[in-house]
Amino acid sequence: DAKTTQPPSMDCAEGRAANLPCNHSTISGNEYVYWYRQIHSQGPQYIIHGLKNNETNEMASLIITEDRKSSTLILPHATLRDTAVYYCIVSGANSKLTFGKGITLSVRP
Amino acid sequence: ETGVTQTPRHLVMGMTNKKSLKCEQHLGHNAMYWYKQSAKKPLELMFVYSLEERVENNSVPSRFSPECPNSSHLFLHLHTLQPEDSALYLCASSQDWGALSGGRTGELFFGEGSRLTVL
Repeated sequence: DAKTTQPPSMDCAEGRAANLPCNHSTISGNEYVYWYRQIHSQGPQYIIHGLKNNETNEMASLIITEDRKSSTLILPHATLRDTAVYYCIVSGANSKLTFGKGITLSVRP
Repeated sequence: ETGVTQTPRHLVMGMTNKKSLKCEQHLGHNAMYWYKQSAKKPLELMFVYSLEERVENNSVPSRFSPECPNSSHLFLHLHTLQPEDSALYLCASSQDWGALSGGRTGELFFGEGSRLTVL
């Protein structure tokens, strides 16, 4: 599975959009981009995934570049409860999700 | 509530004890997983079961012994652990695994974890 690169941390103000970047320059054609988050001392939570097209659900939007080498997770109106570690994962057909260090998002009041 | 329940939530054991962690999923999924999360480290995949058959074992020491008696239950039996095995153990499930997933990784649903402390 392709590797991903995320900044270690970022912060944003409550109520503003949080844009979390991820680089996956070695992604192959059949690999999906997944985003999970882990709130302190809880199990990770699935957020969204995509292959080529941008995706949106009730939690977030996923923007994938045309060359698929990078993506951005957008939380449109961040709240204090969105403070967590966010993992960007690229995975293919074998369901083996390899979690990296993720990016720590801190939402400030 | 994710539909994946882990018990106990906290466990303290000595190095000579035998204990078990239990995971139960109410989602009708066919694949179940054990992950380990040590302090300030990424999650490490330990075992994967698909349709009650172990399909992945990531070089986990034999003092960890998984058991999957049916597609809804997964156990992790612990024996002669070391203090460095203290960690958060997370169970997860997904609809399918590998080829059964139609070439697409299934979304994982995680439990809250079992916090293990080995003295």
